[in-house]
Amino acid sequence: TQLLEQSPQFLSIQEGENLTVYCNSSSVFSSLQWYRQEPGEGPVLLVTVVTGGEVKKLKRLTFQFGDARKDSSLHITAAQPGDTGLYLCAGEYGGSQGNLIFGKGTKLSVKP
Amino acid sequence: NAGVMQNPRHLVRRRGQEARLRCSPMKGHSHVYWYRQLPEEGLKFMVYLQKENIIDESGMPKERFSAEFPKEGPSILRIQQVVRGDSAAYFCASSWTDRYDTEAFFGQGTRLTVV
Repeated sequence: TQLLEQSPQFLSIQEGENLTVYCNSSSVFSSLQWYRQEPGEGPVLLVTVVTGGEVKKLKRLTFQFGDARKDSSLHITAAQPGDTGLYLCAGEYGGSQGNLIFGKGTKLSVKP
Repeated sequence: NAGVMQNPRHLVRRRGQEARLRCSPMKGHSHVYWYRQLPEEGLKFMVYLQKENIIDESGMPKERFSAEFPKEGPSILRIQQVVRGDSAAYFCASSWTDRYDTEAFFGQGTRLTVV
């Protein structure tokens, strides 16, 4: 069974701090996606990483895919209250045709 | 350009009743995926459908649950004889291909409460 472990589960920080969220697995994934979910809403895709070692930047967010395509990290620089939400990683492995394996998420709270 | 539309947003059913959840994919999308999210749990894949075909139902419970995506109209997730454990948020996503690097867009979900 493919599993994605996310850490930390909860994170509460002050505005302006930096943070990193991790997503780890023992399985190799074809691609890995990061989503953000607001309460009462569906997940919204932030980024997809495909190549081992790939780094993608989205404003203050930096996403990295591990060389072996088993793990990923999301780094937020100078967090703002608007970054508050549930961050989910999801992996797709070969042959699944759309069957994403989701981690349980990291619940981030950024206090002003 | 409307996104993925799910209805109803909230659904309350008594134990033993049937629940029907609807999902209209984004325009031009022919691939639909259903996920279930239990409180404090991650999203769990249930089923992947294309028009008139079930491609992967490995995440669907064997009994009481069924899904369809007809040639015309929305995709339907049907839960018969609901039990309290079916209470969850059900999300639908759609994409225009099944390539692994194609973005799937999620709807806002249907929150099912079984009383």
